Amino acid sequence: DQQVKQNSPSLSVQEGRISILNCDYTNSMFDYFLWYKKYPAEGPTFLISISSIKDKNEDGRFTVFLNKSAKHLSLHIVPSQPGDSAVYFCAAFTGGGNKLTFGTGTQLKVEL
Amino acid sequence: GAGVSQSPSNKVTEKGKDVELRCDPISGHTALYWYRQRLGQGLEFLIYFQGNSAPDKSGLPSDRFSAERTGESVSTLTIQRTQQEDSAVYLCASSPTGATVYQPQHFGDGTRLSIL
Repeated sequence: DQQVKQNSPSLSVQEGRISILNCDYTNSMFDYFLWYKKYPAEGPTFLISISSIKDKNEDGRFTVFLNKSAKHLSLHIVPSQPGDSAVYFCAAFTGGGNKLTFGTGTQLKVEL
Repeated sequence: GAGVSQSPSNKVTEKGKDVELRCDPISGHTALYWYRQRLGQGLEFLIYFQGNSAPDKSGLPSDRFSAERTGESVSTLTIQRTQQEDSAVYLCASSPTGATVYQPQHFGDGTRLSIL
């Protein structure tokens, strides 16, 4: 049972445009969400997070939006840069739990 | 920088052999996690250590898998009698605390395990 879903395995965007990566979840007990970025042969690196009590969190070019009623979150990157090309994972914590549940990832390619 | 260190970075072994993977967490991080990523899939939780508490082993896929941690330092993940389906990247992560305050986990670069 995939509790965190990233339905787009890949996304291609032109440099300077907005990248929007989507994530859906099924477990209503999830109350904290994170996005990780992963380059080949490296471990995931933390990018941005959001608590379920908020609907938006912004950090520089990165903004995460959370729609609790739809059980949906998205990561916006603007403007996109070639160095943003990587696999992006959505992940979630549950209250009282410490393990992260990850989505399957979206490969973002930012083209010149 | 003193990030999470994993060794070996790559391991190729024959089916049926035992393997041991090592993780050195960030100094001072009390929580340590092991995950597995199979080809084309997301990260799958295996086991979690928090200080001196009993580890959360709920993600270990079979009794062939075990892990130990010495205090708040090094951890080893052992896979006995390896099978081809054990082929994956094994990732270790640590965080300052695993208590009620959520802390992002910091990952090592993983060990790529290939079972022939």
